[in-house]
Amino acid sequence: NAGVMQNPRHLVRRRGQEARLRCSPVKGHSHVYWYRQLPEEGLKFMVYLQKENIIDESGMPKERFSAEFPKEGPSILRIQQVVRGDSAAYFCASSPGTGGFNQPQHFGDGTRLSIL
Amino acid sequence: AQSVTQLDSHVSVSEGTPVLLRCNYSSSYSPSLFWYVQHPNKGLQLLLKYTSAATLVKGINGFEAEFKKSETSFHLTKPSAHMSDAAEYFCVVRPDTGGFKTIFGAGTRLFVKA
Repeated sequence: NAGVMQNPRHLVRRRGQEARLRCSPVKGHSHVYWYRQLPEEGLKFMVYLQKENIIDESGMPKERFSAEFPKEGPSILRIQQVVRGDSAAYFCASSPGTGGFNQPQHFGDGTRLSIL
Repeated sequence: AQSVTQLDSHVSVSEGTPVLLRCNYSSSYSPSLFWYVQHPNKGLQLLLKYTSAATLVKGINGFEAEFKKSETSFHLTKPSAHMSDAAEYFCVVRPDTGGFKTIFGAGTRLFVKA
């Protein structure tokens, strides 16, 4: 099954540490999206990337959060100096680069980040 | 501005009875609409999508949804609920503005009683 792969599935960090979340898109997909889901809430868009480019980061907090999608390797969502409020499930999705805006996104199983 | 409203945060049905999950959207343009299902500790799985073809869309697992432009609704239905349908359901809109931004509803949790 060559779906979207996210790792780790669970990540525990202490306040002030860094968290790195990885996402490998579906093979052949060139668009990656990151979402955050708080308990009992829907998904909130964070950032949309294509290979080596950030297309839309309007949902990303201005500080401590960054994302990349290098030419080779997975997409990385990086959270520096984590705080308790960063505890959430982070989902990655991918879609093909062709077919227009109506292509559905394929989701990974998420990374559950817990901050102690 | 685009938005999605799922009218019920929780829906409870008995096994074998119909399911109705309601969704209204607001979009300045002709949107694409999707329903996703999320089982506990899993990612989202696409149930169906509407992309300006037939207004009645059939999806997986017996679900279907009808796009009603006059009512700006895209309600999800299933004739007969199964226990395995218990999950969280998200209505999603992608405005036809040439971008890829996706807007999620807050979700409806479906409970299925034996």
